[in-house]
Amino acid sequence: NAGVTQTPKFQVLKTGQSMTLQCAQDMNHNSMYWYRQDPGMGLRLIYYSASEGTTDKGEVPNGYNVSRLNKREFSLRLESAAPSQTSVYFCASSETGLNTEAFFGQGTRLTVV
Amino acid sequence: AQKITQTQPGMFVQEKEAVTLDCTYDTSDPSYGLFWYKQPSSGEMIFLIYQGSYDQQNATEGRYSLNFQKARKSANLVISASQLGDSAMYFCAMREGARGSTLGRLYFGRGTQLTVWP
Repeated sequence: NAGVTQTPKFQVLKTGQSMTLQCAQDMNHNSMYWYRQDPGMGLRLIYYSASEGTTDKGEVPNGYNVSRLNKREFSLRLESAAPSQTSVYFCASSETGLNTEAFFGQGTRLTVV
Repeated sequence: AQKITQTQPGMFVQEKEAVTLDCTYDTSDPSYGLFWYKQPSSGEMIFLIYQGSYDQQNATEGRYSLNFQKARKSANLVISASQLGDSAMYFCAMREGARGSTLGRLYFGRGTQLTVWP
């Protein structure tokens, strides 16, 4: 049971570099999420996708773009990384519905220097 | 305004004692769901318990129970008989069900770091 798979697990970028965080789920979930976790700030929603082909901004979307490539995959792109984007990034997925728990990937620790 | 507020950055409890982690939420949506997750030091997110806004009874899952007070908009997590392995960060989260602009999104609080001591 792979669940939600994120790659890479660790990444160091220089300011201004770009990169894409990959996320794939094998549970046939409609909803997918990208969060960032910073000390003392909890998990903040960056982008959300309710279904294939749809994406919506969350609480902190600036500096990020997303792509829901298909039902399985939801990628997060940093076009020009900034030190403020140093964080741990989590991808998650869930069934559609109010009471459906979200399943999380293992996280990506990103450092921008 | 924050949708989820966890006012306790850190809590300490002795092994075998019960502990309550506070969570208040803000929504005008009549339909919503509340979740608690545990994040151990290894970093993974573990789902613990769910409470729906229309549920008549408080949710329970083993040693976890949710003290749901709808009028106060609080959804506190109660851990009974604490164990050393309960030491972790705990997050409260909410999903709203009816308002179009935020439909489906899952919002988290800032978390409470629980330490269980022997």
